[in-house]
Amino acid sequence: QVQLVQSGAEVKKPGASVKVSCKASGYSFTTYSMHWVRQAPGQGLEWMGRINPSGGSTYYAPKFQGRVTMTRDTSTSTVYMDLSSLRSEDTAVYYCARDPCSDGGCYNWFDPWGQGTLVTVSS
Amino acid sequence: DIVMTQSPDSLAVSLGERATINCKSSQSVLYINNKNYLAWYQQKPGQPPKLLIYWASTRESGVPDRFSGSGSRTDFTLTISSLQAEDVAVYYCQQYYSGPYTFGQGTKLEIK
Repeated sequence: QVQLVQSGAEVKKPGASVKVSCKASGYSFTTYSMHWVRQAPGQGLEWMGRINPSGGSTYYAPKFQGRVTMTRDTSTSTVYMDLSSLRSEDTAVYYCARDPCSDGGCYNWFDPWGQGTLVTVSS
Repeated sequence: DIVMTQSPDSLAVSLGERATINCKSSQSVLYINNKNYLAWYQQKPGQPPKLLIYWASTRESGVPDRFSGSGSRTDFTLTISSLQAEDVAVYYCQQYYSGPYTFGQGTKLEIK
């Protein structure tokens, strides 16, 4: 079955960077785009961007443009989300989530989701 | 950006009763293909969100038929026809009409 397994929790200082991984299994990795969505403690969901694992093309939310980098490693079926210049407001659970693409293209809804990675930014 | 606004913020419903959650978008999410680019998710405590409905009214495989979605253009509704204990969760709508793809603030559903 489709599985997305994310890396473990991180604690970072303000100004640092964090890199979260998401390893996919159970499907053809390069066929489906992957999105990143975050959720601050007790808050709602915020879309950050997506990557097409086939060619590596990305589309970032304007809010994160310049601070986020999404990459992939097709040899290990893993996508990465790198967020730089961390501040306390970046404390959140970060989720990867697959786009249910088809021959007609990708849709930009999310299913399934990884288990989430808590990133805590604190001095 | 398209702003998604849900109502109410929280809701308490008796077991077996109907629960209704509303979602309003700041602009139409109805595309020229006559599809509404609107999804609904369920998030239980400590878990990632789970897709319930896409295209505003198409249930994801495996989702119980007590969950239904309706609406068009800017006004949408998620209905749980007969509330079960396992439906306690926060529910989110999401538009995928245009990026950045945005969510409603969430509606917390509890048992009365």
